[in-house]
Amino acid sequence: DSGVTQTPKHLITATGQRVTLRCSPRSGDLSVYWYQQSLDQGLQFLIQYYNGEERAKGNILERFSAQQFPDLHSELNLSSLELGDSALYFCASSPTGDPNYGYTFGSGTRLTVV
Amino acid sequence: GQQLNQSPQSMFIQEGEDVSMNCTSSSIFNTWLWYKQDPGEGPVLLIALYKAGELTSNGRLTAQFGITRKDSFLNISASIPSDVGIYFCAGSQGAQKLVFGQGTRLTINP
Repeated sequence: DSGVTQTPKHLITATGQRVTLRCSPRSGDLSVYWYQQSLDQGLQFLIQYYNGEERAKGNILERFSAQQFPDLHSELNLSSLELGDSALYFCASSPTGDPNYGYTFGSGTRLTVV
Repeated sequence: GQQLNQSPQSMFIQEGEDVSMNCTSSSIFNTWLWYKQDPGEGPVLLIALYKAGELTSNGRLTAQFGITRKDSFLNISASIPSDVGIYFCAGSQGAQKLVFGQGTRLTINP
C-alpha cells in the first residue's frame, strides 16, 4: 500500500457520460498529480495541484477538469467521454511539490468507455 | 516540452540473464529516477540519482547518472520472474514536475 488511495478501481461507462475519479494523497503530502496511461503507452501528465492551487498543466483536454479540496484530496472530472478516453488514470502525491524526490503513485483507476 | 527517450521499448529475455536499458534526452537533467510498474499497479520508485557520474544500487538493480547529465542507465542482474513489468525513467530539471520516458516493457521466459 503506497498510501495514495484512488477510487474507484474500475469504472465502465458509456460514451457521452461524465465521471469523477477521486484521489486521497499520502498523509502529509501537499501536492497531487494526475497522469493518464493508455494501452501500451507511457505516462501522460495531465495536471498538478499544490495545497489547493493549480500549479502545472500538461496535455489535459478541455473536457477534463480537476480540483484539490481543503482536505487535500483531489478529483479528476472527465466529461463527454469518448472511446479514446479509455485508459488507466493515476494519481500521485509528493510532500512539497519538489520533483527531485519522486512521486508516490496510487494503484490507478481503470476507465473503460463503451 | 522535454522528452525522454527510453530504449529498448521492450525486451524478451530468459530468466537469469542480465538486463540493460537506458534513457536519453537532448536536455540536461539535475535528477534521474527509475520506476517500475507491475501489471495493474502504479509505478514504484526504485532508484534516485542526484549527481553526474553517480552509480547507485538497490539489490540486483544498478543505475547510473550519465556524465553528460543527458542520460541514465539501469541494469538488472540475474533476472527473476518478478522483474517482469514496465520500467520508467523520469527526470527533473528543478521545475515543477517530473518528465517520464515511454517505458521499457520487460518480459521474462522461465
